[in-house]
Amino acid sequence: DIQMTHSPSSLSASVGDRVTITCRASQSISNYLNWYQQKPGKAPKLLIYAASTLQSGVPSRFSGSGSGTDFTLTISSLLAEDFATYYCQQSYTTPVTFGHGTRLEIK
Amino acid sequence: QVQLVQSGTEVKKPGSSVKLSCKTSGDTFRSYTITWVRQAPGQGLEWMGRVLPILGIRNYTQKFQGRITLTADKSTNTAYMELSSLRSDDTAVYYCARDIPSGSDTFTFWGQGTLVTVSS
Repeated sequence: DIQMTHSPSSLSASVGDRVTITCRASQSISNYLNWYQQKPGKAPKLLIYAASTLQSGVPSRFSGSGSGTDFTLTISSLLAEDFATYYCQQSYTTPVTFGHGTRLEIK
Repeated sequence: QVQLVQSGTEVKKPGSSVKLSCKTSGDTFRSYTITWVRQAPGQGLEWMGRVLPILGIRNYTQKFQGRITLTADKSTNTAYMELSSLRSDDTAVYYCARDIPSGSDTFTFWGQGTLVTVSS
C-alpha cells in the first residue's frame, strides 16, 4: 500500500498567517493527490484535486502544488473558519490511502 | 444536487454484524462508484472499499477481506455496507462517498456519517 505522510502533524497559527502543509507519498503517484478539510463532527470536504485544481466553490486562498512524491497545500491568509484538520489522499491506485492529517489550531 | 443520506447510529455487541445504508439522490445512481471510508475516534480516514452499481464490481481493502460486503440496490438508489465479526476496534464513524468523475477516487460528495459503537 502507498503510505501518505503529513508534515507537520499539528500546527498553530494565527488569523492572517500563510500556512503550508506538506504531504509525502511512499512512491510516485504523479498528480493523483487530493486534499480534504474536516471539521469536528463533519464529513471531509474536498478542497483540491489532481494536486493543484481547486474544487468548485473553494476559496482561492487555498492552493496546492506538487507531483511525484511531494505535495503541498497552502492557505495564503488564514481565516477563523480554516482551523480544521487537513488530509491528503492518493487516488493513484487501490487501496486508496489517506495521510493521518494535519491539525491546524489557533495560536 | 447530489445528496448521500446515511442510516442512523448503531450499537453492536462484539462478534455481531452491522449493515449500514447510504441513499443517494440527485443523479444516476447506477453509473457512479460508492466508496466507504471509516474514521475511528480521534483517528484519520481509512478506505474500506467501493462498489460500482451498474456493473456490480466491488473492491475491498485487504484488511477487511472476508468481513465486508458492499451491495447496491439500483431500484432504491441505496448502497449498503455490511461488516461482520465486529470487534471493539471497529468502533468508528462510517462514511459513504461519491467520486466525480466515476472511478477517479476523488470524493466530492459525502454522507453525514454513521456512528457504530461496538461494546459488550
